Amino acid sequence: EPEVTQTPSHQVTQMGQEVILRCVPISNHLYFYWYRQILGQKVEFLVSFYNNEISEKSEIFDDQFSVERPDGSNFTLKIRSTKLEDSAMYFCASRAGQTEAFFGQGTRLTVV
Amino acid sequence: GIQVEQSPPDLILQEGANSTLRCNFSDSVNNLQWFHQNPWGQLINLFYIPSGTKQNGRLSATTVATERYSLLYISSSQTTDSGVYFCAVAGYGGSQGNLIFGKGTKLSVKP
Repeated sequence: EPEVTQTPSHQVTQMGQEVILRCVPISNHLYFYWYRQILGQKVEFLVSFYNNEISEKSEIFDDQFSVERPDGSNFTLKIRSTKLEDSAMYFCASRAGQTEAFFGQGTRLTVV
Repeated sequence: GIQVEQSPPDLILQEGANSTLRCNFSDSVNNLQWFHQNPWGQLINLFYIPSGTKQNGRLSATTVATERYSLLYISSSQTTDSGVYFCAVAGYGGSQGNLIFGKGTKLSVKP
C-alpha cells in the first residue's frame, strides 16, 4: 500500500542551526502539507503546497520556514535558524484531490 | 476559522468495554477524518467521513454534517486501542484542504 515516508525519524540539532526535513509523498498525489505537533498538544497546520507553489500558510510559518519540491518525488521543509520552541513532531501529508489526506510517520525534531 | 471540539478529553476503559467519542465543528466541512495516534506518535487514518456512516471491524463512525458533529464508536475495546484519537476537518472556500485538528481524546484501555 502506498505511503508517505519521512526522514529522518528523529533529529537533534543545536539552536541556530538549519535543518531540512524530508518527505516523499504518495506518487500520484497533488496536494502536499506540513503540520507540526508540539509535545502533548494538537496537530497544527503549517503550509500547503500545490502546483509547485505555496497555496496557503499559517501564521506559524514565518520567514524562518521554507518548503521546496526539488524533484518529482521529494517535498522538504527547511527551518533556517532553529529555536528551542521549534522542537516538535513534524508531519508531512499528501492528498490526491478532494479526498482523505495521508500522513507520514513524522520527524521528531529536538532543538538543544 | 473552523473550531473543532472533541469530547471527552480523557477516557479510561476496561478491556471489552464500548465507547463513543464525539467531534463537534463550527462550520460546514468538505473533509472530516478520524485518526489514531499511537504511542510512537504516528497518525493512523481511521476514517474519511465528511458525511454518512462507515464501519471497519470494531470501529465505526458517523458524521451528521447538517448538525456539525461526528461520532467514533469503539466496540469491545482492546489495550492496543489506547492512544489519542483526533478528529480533523477541512472547510470549503479558499483552503486547499488544510486540516484543522481537535485537541483529541486520550483513551486508556486497561487489561
